[in-house]
Amino acid sequence: AQRVTQPEKLLSVFKGAPVELKCNYSYSGSPELFWYVQYSRQRLQLLLRHISRESIKGFTADLNKGETSFHLKKPFAQEEDSAMYYCALGYGQNFVFGPGTRLSVLP
Amino acid sequence: NAGVTQTPKFRILKIGQSMTLQCAQDMNHNYMYWYRQDPGMGLKLIYYSVGAGITDKGEVPNGYNVSRSTTEDFPLRLELAAPSQTSVYFCASRGTSGNYEQYFGPGTRLTVT
Repeated sequence: AQRVTQPEKLLSVFKGAPVELKCNYSYSGSPELFWYVQYSRQRLQLLLRHISRESIKGFTADLNKGETSFHLKKPFAQEEDSAMYYCALGYGQNFVFGPGTRLSVLP
Repeated sequence: NAGVTQTPKFRILKIGQSMTLQCAQDMNHNYMYWYRQDPGMGLKLIYYSVGAGITDKGEVPNGYNVSRSTTEDFPLRLELAAPSQTSVYFCASRGTSGNYEQYFGPGTRLTVT
């Protein structure tokens, strides 16, 4: 069955430090992978998708099919990056979300 | 555009009561989804729809019903509320351009006591 795992429930880093939020997936086909973010008191919104290979707000994510991973990275964390981050797998008409990682960037 | 709207924002139900969570979108999206988010957990798909008149079950459909009479609206019905249905409910929609991006509503926080 399709599954998305995010091993860290909470990740705390200091401002200016690098951050990496881990995501692994299980899917036998060609995956469509996404990172969604939910800032405090706001709705879920798309941060980036693997197919566009873009950098949004300094974040990047590379799909590694060999390791079935899609880790989210940023070289210098900012306080405004504090939020819940969800990795998601799209297939057919369906979506599977990971349990989320709460990122806390400390001053 | 208002995007995806949900009503109500909050609701407290007694066990056995019924209610309908409303969801509407004004982006002419064919695909619509209902998720629930339990504390500390990810989103779980309840039901989805690929167009007006077509609905299908997701991962956790038991205790819920949906209908899709128009492209814009996708209400979620709870017939006999149970404490296990205490959760935050999110509605989402997306287009059919091959882009999987989903647009989410603000959520409805439901407590069943």
